[in-house]
Amino acid sequence: GEDVEQSLFLSVREGDSSVINCTYTDSSSTYLYWYKQEPGAGLQLLTYIFSNMDMKQDQRLTVLLNKKDKHLSLRIADTQTGDSAIYFCAESMYSASKIIFGSGTRLSIRP
Amino acid sequence: DAMVIQNPRYQVTQFGKPVTLSCSQTLNHNVMYWYQQKSSQAPKLLFHYYDKDFNNEADTPDNFQSRRPNTSFCFLDIRSPGLGDAAMYLCATLGQAGSGANVLTFGAGSRLTVL
Repeated sequence: GEDVEQSLFLSVREGDSSVINCTYTDSSSTYLYWYKQEPGAGLQLLTYIFSNMDMKQDQRLTVLLNKKDKHLSLRIADTQTGDSAIYFCAESMYSASKIIFGSGTRLSIRP
Repeated sequence: DAMVIQNPRYQVTQFGKPVTLSCSQTLNHNVMYWYQQKSSQAPKLLFHYYDKDFNNEADTPDNFQSRRPNTSFCFLDIRSPGLGDAAMYLCATLGQAGSGANVLTFGAGSRLTVL
């Protein structure tokens, strides 16, 4: 079956790196995603990675994928107050139009 | 410019009083979704349309219906809202990024309060 799990909370100091982790169960997942949700808003796509890659970097964001362990992480370098949000991990299968979300990790930034 | 637009942003209804939420898109995407999101939970897929083909999730209550009169518009009808239906309702469309990945574009959501 399909299941995506994340820890619920993460607190980091401003300027430090944040690492948000996710595990998924479906080994046939083709794409894995990170979405960001700010209060009262919809979900915004941050980045995604194809399952045959193990790393993708985009400015302050680094995605690492360990397909053997079905583990995905999102690293945010130099975390800023504007990064406070809920971060959702998600997976989809090739040719499937269904994208499954984790329960989200709430990232809070302390001064 | 917003590409997936939901109206209203906030809806208050009474227990049992029908409500309709609307979603429009300017992306010309074939696939449109409705998700229900309760506080601190993952968005839960209610149903989706592939063009005019309606795909209901097995655990979506009959109380929830949807209409898609054309490519641009999709509606969520809640026939008899209960207190447990209070949530954020998210509309999304599915398109392809440059690499071929399927990516969802979300609207800002409609927050439903049931009194």
